[in-house]
Amino acid sequence: KAGVTQTPRYLIKTRGQQVTLSCSPISGHRSVSWYQQTPGQGLQFLFEYFSETQRNKGNFPGRFSGRQFSNSRSEMNVSTLELGDSALYLCASSSPGGGVTDTQYFGPGTRLTVL
Amino acid sequence: AQSVTQLGSHVSVSEGALVLLRCNYSSSVPPYLFWYVQYPNQGLQLLLKYTTGATLVKGINGFEAEFKKSETSFHLTKPSAHMSDAAEYFCAVSVPGGGNKLTFGTGTQLKVEL
Repeated sequence: KAGVTQTPRYLIKTRGQQVTLSCSPISGHRSVSWYQQTPGQGLQFLFEYFSETQRNKGNFPGRFSGRQFSNSRSEMNVSTLELGDSALYLCASSSPGGGVTDTQYFGPGTRLTVL
Repeated sequence: AQSVTQLGSHVSVSEGALVLLRCNYSSSVPPYLFWYVQYPNQGLQLLLKYTTGATLVKGINGFEAEFKKSETSFHLTKPSAHMSDAAEYFCAVSVPGGGNKLTFGTGTQLKVEL
């Protein structure tokens, strides 16, 4: 099986712009979670989607949003980019049941740089 | 809310020596505990997890961890370090009813020296 794929792998934007990141989960996985990784804040949970519904949300401003499509692919959008949004954005998908004890498989991430 | 503390942001061991990475958690309900490894420019890979049952959990690449409720700990060990173990290690916690939300520790960078 192919792993979790994220596109693009690298992205450079300027302040005030918006950006959309894409995540394709492992075939058959219905849960997709997003995390932000920065040197200062570490790994922080953004949100989780399961069968096209947001199941969980972290403590991020409304500029961060996401969605999941019927094929389980997910996108996250960040509007009005700030310098502090520069980070590695990781996507993870979990086994068909989507339960909390199911293993989450992470993609390689999208490195976003905001200038 | 749950939290994780990883003691030691950097740990250095000699090749062949014991690896011990410390993790303590805080949770008001019985937690699920995980260890992930991250190699440079890559995502996270699950090493092992504790959900219920046996408190000594064996994972990939010779790693294991023991859930100790009385000490609220979930330390990661490996009897003999290999150069390929050099990476960053993250301990994480989730709770029943919390979906797939993982709360991570700040990570421990493991260096393995000849």
